[in-house]
Amino acid sequence: AQSVTQLDSQVPVFEEAPVELRCNYSSSVSVYLFWYVQYPNQGLQLLLKYLSGSTLVKGINGFEAEFNKSQTSFHLRKPSVHISDTAEYFCAVSIIQGAQKLVFGQGTRLTINP
Amino acid sequence: GAGVSQSPSNKVTEKGKDVELRCDPISGHTALYWYRQSLGQGLEFLIYFQGNSAPDKSGLPSDRFSAERTGGSVSTLTIQRTQQEDSAVYLCASSISSQGRETQYFGPGTRLLVL
Repeated sequence: AQSVTQLDSQVPVFEEAPVELRCNYSSSVSVYLFWYVQYPNQGLQLLLKYLSGSTLVKGINGFEAEFNKSQTSFHLRKPSVHISDTAEYFCAVSIIQGAQKLVFGQGTRLTINP
Repeated sequence: GAGVSQSPSNKVTEKGKDVELRCDPISGHTALYWYRQSLGQGLEFLIYFQGNSAPDKSGLPSDRFSAERTGGSVSTLTIQRTQQEDSAVYLCASSISSQGRETQYFGPGTRLLVL
């Protein structure tokens, strides 16, 4: 079975500051990795995904994430955040073979302060 | 084009009643997933449909939960004899196929409150 741990339930940062949201996963088989964002009262939107190849993945809204196989991590980063980045962020994995049933972390609430 | 739509957006029901939640996937998407988002359990997979194949029901929490997908398009999630612990946001997602490389597109969810 797969599991995902997001180490921080809440992360407050000031506008224009850098941010890193941490994600670690556990799986006995190879997985794909995802970051989703959820704005209030909305569904989930894909930020980025790692399937294979380069371990540094760039996504929408200036976010990027780095896959580290030895540390089983997939941390999300942004060099300068904006008020509009205030949302909940979910890390997720799915196994490579078979259907893409996503296993999610508990989420990290990112709050941007002016 | 239109995204995934879900109805109703909010549903309040009394304990013991049955409810039906509807999902309209993106046209042409063969894979459809249901997830549940609750305070206690976070985001959990419930069930998925792929084309005409038998659905994967491995995530359904009890036999009070069932789902169907008619004509390979619209899906209905039914909860019978609702309990207070069923209160959650039910999210539907669809993708071109069920393979991992395909992006899942999520609907806005149905917020269910069982009194």
